[in-house]
Amino acid sequence: ILNVEQSPQSLHVQEGDSTNFTCSFPSSNFYALHWYRWETAKSPEALFVMTLNGDEKKKGRISATLNTKEGYSYLYIKGSQPEDSATYLCAHQKSNQFYFGTGTSLTVIP
Amino acid sequence: NAGVTQTPKFQVLKTGQSMTLQCAQDMNHEYMSWYRQDPGMGLRLIHYSVGAGITDQGEVPNGYNVSRSTTEDFPLRLELAAPSQTSVYFCASTKGTSGKNEQFFGPGTRLTVL
Repeated sequence: ILNVEQSPQSLHVQEGDSTNFTCSFPSSNFYALHWYRWETAKSPEALFVMTLNGDEKKKGRISATLNTKEGYSYLYIKGSQPEDSATYLCAHQKSNQFYFGTGTSLTVIP
Repeated sequence: NAGVTQTPKFQVLKTGQSMTLQCAQDMNHEYMSWYRQDPGMGLRLIHYSVGAGITDQGEVPNGYNVSRSTTEDFPLRLELAAPSQTSVYFCASTKGTSGKNEQFFGPGTRLTVL
């Protein structure tokens, strides 16, 4: 079992604020790191798949970085909007198995 | 494309009953998997398959069986349901067997075992 930890557990921000979350994972034998966005009453949707140390990926106002040597990834949201309210999950992929964190619940207050 | 579909959406079972959760995908994905979601815990992998005829255990396989007779379908079987199996179950699929691709999730099945 690989321990994947996410922090903070929950976050409330004002509309327009920028924010970031952390995903930490075991750094040995790294394979891939996945970020998902999970809205209430829906299923998780993939945001990014990151495989190389130093990777930076961006999708609109959301971006992510990866440090495989120290075992962490950051997810950034610039200028948060109410529609960004969701739970953000990360998953450490080890070969054909995925190990998920418990997520960061983001609430953006209008 | 319908993507990943799951049936039923909701199910209530009595302890000891059996049932099969259905999962299908129309994206010709080789990799399919089943997860369970419990309060305070991350999604946990139950079983996965890298192609038709090939299945393997994940993190929490006990009490569940799977089969993969076609590329499209990956049913999850509970033989003797127990209250500990009350959970939300998600099926997911991924293109290719290398695994470094995004996963697509189904809408989930909420199962209650009394």
